[in-house]
Amino acid sequence: EDQVTQSPEALRLQEGESSSLNCSYTVSGLRGLFWYRQDPGKGPEFLFTLYSAGEEKEKERLKATLTKKESFLHITAPKPEDSATYLCAVQAARAGGTSYGKLTFGQGTILTVHP
Amino acid sequence: EAGVAQSPRYKIIEKRQSVAFWCNPISGHATLYWYQQILGQGPKLLIQFQNNGVVDDSQLPKDRFSAERLKGVDSTLKIQPAKLEDSAVYLCASSLGGNQYFGPGTRLLVL
Repeated sequence: EDQVTQSPEALRLQEGESSSLNCSYTVSGLRGLFWYRQDPGKGPEFLFTLYSAGEEKEKERLKATLTKKESFLHITAPKPEDSATYLCAVQAARAGGTSYGKLTFGQGTILTVHP
Repeated sequence: EAGVAQSPRYKIIEKRQSVAFWCNPISGHATLYWYQQILGQGPKLLIQFQNNGVVDDSQLPKDRFSAERLKGVDSTLKIQPAKLEDSAVYLCASSLGGNQYFGPGTRLLVL
């Protein structure tokens, strides 16, 4: 069974204080690892997809990296508007076919950035 | 491009009552997903449709939950009868292949 564990559960930063969120996973053949941002009362918003170990992707102050067992979301010089819950999810490769399967999510990391 | 639409946004019912949620995916997206997100947890897949057909419903409590996708576009998720533990946000997502895009969700409270 696919499993995703995120740490820490909650993280409080001062504006400008860089840090990293961790996502550890076990999956029977990784098709992709996804990062989403979720604001209160809203659905998850897509950030990144990583497909293979060593891959990195960046968007503004966020950078996601991937190894064979975990992914990190690095936040450089965060601002209060970066406050949200960050969700990590894995999608297993499906034998044959072209349809894409479910995402298995972690519980999320609640990030609060204070001005 | 319009996103995934869901309605209603909020619903309060009493246990043993019935409730239905509606989802309109992004135009052209063949795959549609319903997830359940309990407070403090990540979303959990309930059912996945590919066009009209069900691809994965292994985690759908079939004694009380049902879902259908009409003409490969809109979908409805129904709970009958509802239990207290069904209180959650019900998220609909769609994809063309790969990335899944989520709607705003329906927040259900069962009293």
